[in-house]
Amino acid sequence: DSGVTQTPKHLITATGQRVTLRCSPRSGDLSVYWYQQSLDQGLQFLIQYYNGEERAKGNILERFSAQQFPDLHSELNLSSLELGDSALYFCASGGRVGTEAFFGQGTRLTVV
Amino acid sequence: GQQLNQSPQSMFIQEGEDVSMNCTSSSIFNTWLWYKQDPGEGPVLLIALYKAGELTSNGRLTAQFGITRKDSFLNISASIPSDVGIYFCAGRNTGNQFYFGTGTSLTVIP
Repeated sequence: DSGVTQTPKHLITATGQRVTLRCSPRSGDLSVYWYQQSLDQGLQFLIQYYNGEERAKGNILERFSAQQFPDLHSELNLSSLELGDSALYFCASGGRVGTEAFFGQGTRLTVV
Repeated sequence: GQQLNQSPQSMFIQEGEDVSMNCTSSSIFNTWLWYKQDPGEGPVLLIALYKAGELTSNGRLTAQFGITRKDSFLNISASIPSDVGIYFCAGRNTGNQFYFGTGTSLTVIP
């Protein structure tokens, strides 16, 4: 158990809809990273938050947004969903000097 | 966003053989990490490296932090069937940002 909790584990929704994925980082970790992994693809970095503020942005679509709350949990919002958004979405936490990034179990999103 | 060059992309080996994969970057990193991902699961940290030249082992796994700070390799000795999975490298820069390799898919043939 990495200590990073993601919910829900599975999500099936229709095109055009909006969903919210949730991530609780490990206790004491200030950073949350979001990644997208499509079938047979590597990990695509989406966005990073550190202590509530956006720190870095990767290949995140404008239809996607994220935030990190005062209790350090983070949410990734995906809107106007398309079939191609079907993927595994991972969050990882870390960021303390000398520590590593630990991954949650992921949310499998299926858009039908 | 930046991605690290990881090779090989896939490997098919016989049980008992040794495996070697590497990762290169155009940027310098302060930390190199190696992860293993089983199907449908999140990546699990295998080894973390913090200093240039550092060589670290975890059981049958050995990884090294390249002296230039732009590369790292992972070796697996005497492979077994449960080594099957996708291995990812990751680098952490001075800004605490992580970048991942494209992954090496390992198949071990009994």
